[in-house]
Amino acid sequence: GQNIDQPTEMTATEGAIVQINCTYQTSGFNGLFWYQQHAGEAPTFLSYNVLDGLEEKGRFSSFLSRSKGYSYLLLKELQMKDSASYLCAAMDSNYQLIWGAGTKLIIKP
Amino acid sequence: GAVVSQHPSRVICKSGTSVKIECRSLDFQATTMFWYRQFPKQSLMLMATSNEGSKATYEQGVEKDKFLINHASLTLSTLTVTSAHPEDSSFYICSARDLLAGGADTQYFGPGTRLTVL
Repeated sequence: GQNIDQPTEMTATEGAIVQINCTYQTSGFNGLFWYQQHAGEAPTFLSYNVLDGLEEKGRFSSFLSRSKGYSYLLLKELQMKDSASYLCAAMDSNYQLIWGAGTKLIIKP
Repeated sequence: GAVVSQHPSRVICKSGTSVKIECRSLDFQATTMFWYRQFPKQSLMLMATSNEGSKATYEQGVEKDKFLINHASLTLSTLTVTSAHPEDSSFYICSARDLLAGGADTQYFGPGTRLTVL
């Protein structure tokens, strides 16, 4: 079956670094997406990886290992506004997104 | 980046009535749009995939006669919740598929519609 696993909740300190992991199992693979979702709002696109390696975009970076079915989202210099849920989604062979349940990130001062 | 609008943002209706939600891609043409619902503290649940000019493809367990989807143009898809019941109260979110630079496609989300059925 198809499955996405990510931690339910994480806590970090303002100014620190946090890594949110995601493992996936899909029928075929056409890329791994990370979205940010603030409470009561729709998700916003953060990153896309289809090749192995690290993609850096400002304070956020995303890593993919296709052989391990593994990705992580790295957030640096955490700010209070980064408190949100982070959704991992893998695109399968039918170009459908398979969603994880999301990781709620709590930032403390 | 690609912008998707959704209207209305909030709606409260009486049980048994129908509610229409519009989803528009503002600065790109979306051949495919998706409709999701999300219950509190849960992830997105795909309801249906809407392709312009053809019938929507519904996910298992989603009643196509209850959730009517029309994708009449490349920039507009509508979801009509017919004979709404309190259990239909949820956050409904649409997304539209667009191509990123390099050919990878991703989904951009509308702001969502919070439906409350009394």
